[in-house]
Amino acid sequence: GAVVSQHPSRVICKSGTSVKIECRSLDFQATTMFWYRQFPKQSLMLMATSNEGSKATYEQGVEKDKFLINHASLTLSTLTVTSAHPEDSSFYICSARDTVTRAVGGYTFGSGTRLTVV
Amino acid sequence: AQSVTQLDSQVPVFEEAPVELRCNYSSSVSVYLFWYVQYPNQGLQLLLKYLSGSTLVKGINGFEAEFNKSQTSFHLRKPSVHISDTAEYFCAVSGISGGYNKLIFGAGTRLAVHP
Repeated sequence: GAVVSQHPSRVICKSGTSVKIECRSLDFQATTMFWYRQFPKQSLMLMATSNEGSKATYEQGVEKDKFLINHASLTLSTLTVTSAHPEDSSFYICSARDTVTRAVGGYTFGSGTRLTVV
Repeated sequence: AQSVTQLDSQVPVFEEAPVELRCNYSSSVSVYLFWYVQYPNQGLQLLLKYLSGSTLVKGINGFEAEFNKSQTSFHLRKPSVHISDTAEYFCAVSGISGGYNKLIFGAGTRLAVHP
């Protein structure tokens, strides 16, 4: 079945530095990828939707200059948290939409990245 | 726009007992409905989804859900739970028509199965 690989699974960084998170679709092409943020014991909040070769569409309230999303190929999307601060600490999860099954609601999730900013 | 309400934040249940996790949705367009399970520090695993056709949907691990359009509900059920079912469960909705069809999640229900 469809597999999405997300790296790293955990990252600790110093305040003020930038962190890049990768999301790869391993066995399918994903023209659309989604990035979510999840605070402890809370639901997944959609941050942005990225389409291959296009600028990402950000949800209201998400700072596009802080959370840079690049979707340069059909199998890779990256989320870069720039100038990270402790309040950016969270669990970030990507999801890729399977282009083959998109008509039947195919979404595959990565395993998530736990970001801790110290 | 769509929204999802999961009516119970926590559901405690004893092993081998039946369980129902409730989900209601709101949408101005036709929708697809999903249930996902999340184990600690992991991503989401799809349990089942309703796209069209039969309103009773069977998923993995013995779970099933019933789509009720008139009540805008999509409750998840399992006749006999196991300790290993302890996890967070999310109901999600996406619109059928349009571009990216982003998934919108409910707040989640924590299922705690006790021996």
